[in-house]
Amino acid sequence: LAKTTQPISMDSYEGQEVNITCSHNNIATNDYITWYQQFPSQGPRFIIQGYKTKVTNEVASLFIPADRKSSTLSLPRVSLSDTAVYYCLVGDMVGPGTYKYIFGTGTRLKVLA
Amino acid sequence: KAGVTQTPRYLIKTRGQQVTLSCSPISGHRSVSWYQQTPGQGLQFLFEYFSETQRNKGNFPGRFSGRQFSNSRSEMNVSTLELGDSALYLCASSEISGGVGNEQFFGPGTRLTVL
Repeated sequence: LAKTTQPISMDSYEGQEVNITCSHNNIATNDYITWYQQFPSQGPRFIIQGYKTKVTNEVASLFIPADRKSSTLSLPRVSLSDTAVYYCLVGDMVGPGTYKYIFGTGTRLKVLA
Repeated sequence: KAGVTQTPRYLIKTRGQQVTLSCSPISGHRSVSWYQQTPGQGLQFLFEYFSETQRNKGNFPGRFSGRQFSNSRSEMNVSTLELGDSALYLCASSEISGGVGNEQFFGPGTRLTVL
C-alpha cells in the first residue's frame, strides 16, 4: 500500500515562498499527484495536479522528480489567508483499474504577519 | 455550476444505530468518492462509485456501505454505529474514475457524532 508522509506543521511570514514536500513511496504508475488545501469546517479544495517535472498555475507550482517518489508544493508570496492544512493525494493501484486514494498526513501551514 | 452538496451537515446518533448520509455531485460528474476524516487517522478513503458501480474500496469494515443512483447522487450507510465512527464524512465528485488526472471536488462534509 502507498504511504504518504508530510511535515506536520510549518510557519512562514507573509510574502515568503513556502515549499511543502510529500513523500509517496508506492504511487501508481499512471497516477497523478494532487494537492489540496483545507480550511476549518470545510472540505478540501483543489490546488494543483501533476504527473512529473513541473506544473504551474495561478496559485502554486508543483515539482515532481523523475522517480516520482516525492512532490513539492510551492506557494509563492504567501498571505495570511493561506493559513490552512495542505494535503497531497496519490492513487495506489491495487489491481487492474482499481485504485485506493491515499491522502498525506497533512501539513498545517501558519502564516504570520 | 452548483458545487457538491451533502446532507445533513450535522448528525448525532447513539451507539448501535445506523445512519445514512447523502451526497449530490456536481452536475455531469459521474464519480462520487467518500472519505472519513478524524483527528487521529486523518483523511481516509472509504469507497468510490462510478455510474452506479462501486469501483474502488478502502480498508473499512462491512458496516460501511454505499450506493449510487442513476442521477449520480450517492448515499453512504453506516450500520451498528460505534463511538469511533464519530468523524467528518466528506464526499467528492469528479468527471472520471480512477487515478489518472482525477480532480476531485469536495463537499462541506457531514459531521457525525456518535454518543
